Amino acid sequence: AQRVTQPEKLLSVFKGAPVELKCNYSYSGSPELFWYVQYSRQRLQLLLRHISRESIKGFTADLNKGETSFHLKKPFAQEEDSAMYYCALMAGGGNKLTFGTGTQLKVEL
Amino acid sequence: DAGITQSPRHKVTETGTPVTLRCHQTENHRYMYWYRQDPGHGLRLIHYSYGVKDTDKGEVSDGYSVSRSKTEDFLLTLESATSSQTSVYFCAISEGGAGDSPLHFGNGTRLTVT
Repeated sequence: AQRVTQPEKLLSVFKGAPVELKCNYSYSGSPELFWYVQYSRQRLQLLLRHISRESIKGFTADLNKGETSFHLKKPFAQEEDSAMYYCALMAGGGNKLTFGTGTQLKVEL
Repeated sequence: DAGITQSPRHKVTETGTPVTLRCHQTENHRYMYWYRQDPGHGLRLIHYSYGVKDTDKGEVSDGYSVSRSKTEDFLLTLESATSSQTSVYFCAISEGGAGDSPLHFGNGTRLTVT
């Protein structure tokens, strides 16, 4: 069965500092990975998907199959980046997503 | 927004009562999902649907049932609500077709079971 691990419940950084939110997965097949963001008490919004290899709001994520990781990175944190971030894996039939437990990012001034 | 409406947005109910949450989409997407969000657990799949009258269980389906009689509506029923079902419930939709069709989420329903 597939599993997504986000080891940090809370990550605090200062404005302008680099950000890295960790995500590791376990899945025997070829994974499809996503990052979702949830601003305070709002719906989840798609931030990134690995197949598109695009940068959204300055965030990037690279799939490393050797390390089974899909870490989310941003070179300079902004206050508006404060949110909950979820890594998710799509595998098996039904287009189902398996989520990690999430990392709360807090950007301090 | 992805054309997803969840109702009600908030609900307080008593233990033992049945509760139905509704998800309505205007996108004509094939797949619909119900997730629950709990601190420390992230989002966990309850049930999903891959077409009208076609549904399947997710990882936390006990105590829940679903129905999909029309493409646009996906109902989640708590047959006899318990305090452990206090949660935020999110509906999601997807066009299908694997990675090109990510899930899009509704605004959530906050359910409190007293």
